[in-house]
Amino acid sequence: QSALTQPASVSGSRGQSIIISCTGSTSDIGGYDYVSWYQQHPGKAPKLIIYDVSSRPSGVSNRFSGSKSGNTASLTISGLQAEDEADYYCSSYASTNTRLFGGGTKLTVL
Amino acid sequence: QVQLVESGGGVVQPGRSLRLSCVASGFTFRNYGMHWVRQAPGKGLEWVAITWNDGKKKYYADSAKGRFTISKDNSKNTLYLQMNSLRAEDTALYYCTREFNDNAFDIWGPGTMVTVSS
Repeated sequence: QSALTQPASVSGSRGQSIIISCTGSTSDIGGYDYVSWYQQHPGKAPKLIIYDVSSRPSGVSNRFSGSKSGNTASLTISGLQAEDEADYYCSSYASTNTRLFGGGTKLTVL
Repeated sequence: QVQLVESGGGVVQPGRSLRLSCVASGFTFRNYGMHWVRQAPGKGLEWVAITWNDGKKKYYADSAKGRFTISKDNSKNTLYLQMNSLRAEDTALYYCTREFNDNAFDIWGPGTMVTVSS
């Protein structure tokens, strides 16, 4: 049960787009279309922003989008805003009914 | 409104036990699988365990297997995590979270802090 691999940090200027990658294996990301993404502001609980690779829950901005290719999933945030500055985590269903999280990516909005 | 509230955290010595609780409200608890997820101070999220909606099937992370037990009382709208043989590395904020669409976590509680220290 190894954690999924995310970059430790990414940054972008307001209005720009950024991509956060999440790499796993054929036993998790590559084997199922069950990738989700979470936004976590300091001192707060995580918030679901993408599920089933690319679906957005009601109320989540369409500036957030997800995709997957092989064993790697990606979260794209377009039109960066100051309030997007947060930690982002990917998660995947894994074999034997377990779940995995990525190590997290700190997004800095310049 | 839909809500999860954890309790039961605290400071405990290594090797001792602790039971966490999570009370659900605002939704039909018996219809949902539930998870525990933890976050060590300054670290990332770590999935701990899941119980299915009826409480009959349970799965654990390797770090929890054999020491932790997840359970669900649908009559009390409450999720539990019994933690035995606690170690320093179990120190974390423990979140209760609801399963969404068989794979995601859509509702989270505020968490309850567990500190394992002598």
